[in-house]
Amino acid sequence: DAGVIQSPRHEVTEMGQEVTLRCKPISGHDYLFWYRQTMMRGLELLIYFNNNVPIDDSGMPEDRFSAKMPNASFSTLKIQPSEPRDSAVYFCASCRAGELFFGEGSRLTVL
Amino acid sequence: SQQGEEDPQALSIQEGENATMNCSYKTSINNLQWYRQNSGRGLVHLILIRSNEREKHSGRLRVTLDTSKKSSSLLITASRAADTASYFCAPSNFGNEKLTFGTGTRLTIIP
Repeated sequence: DAGVIQSPRHEVTEMGQEVTLRCKPISGHDYLFWYRQTMMRGLELLIYFNNNVPIDDSGMPEDRFSAKMPNASFSTLKIQPSEPRDSAVYFCASCRAGELFFGEGSRLTVL
Repeated sequence: SQQGEEDPQALSIQEGENATMNCSYKTSINNLQWYRQNSGRGLVHLILIRSNEREKHSGRLRVTLDTSKKSSSLLITASRAADTASYFCAPSNFGNEKLTFGTGTRLTIIP
């Protein structure tokens, strides 16, 4: 199994641009999570899905952030417009029997 | 959901020594997980201990759980340079898959 796959691994963009991060979970896992990690705030849960349905998006910082899961094998996290304070590593994780499997993350830098 | 609080925040030991880190949480759980994060990588699941277990072993890892004190400990024996990482605990309940994380313990193994 290839594990959770995230893309891009690195993204540098300018303030105001739209950013789309992508995640392919492990096949058969019915939960998918998006986390954000910074030195200042640690690892924050942004949103999670169960069977492609968003369950809890209370961690999404503001309306500039949106996440979708159109099918069981794909999810996106979009930031529009991006701001320098969005710079962070964004992790996607899928879940089986309560155990999380993380991707390698997408490092976002907003200039 | 609830997040655990790891202690100490940072720990440095000589290679070959044992490393112990602790986790405290606030409300009842039915399991607790430990994860490791190497620098720049996603979190990796290490071990899960259920609330009816007091101790569990996996290779050089030993985890204890004291539900009366709402605390857990992770012991790494005969540490190696490759154990240098941040370690996170995640108290959880089966059926509620939302996992949140504290700031972790940063472990440094000195060769």
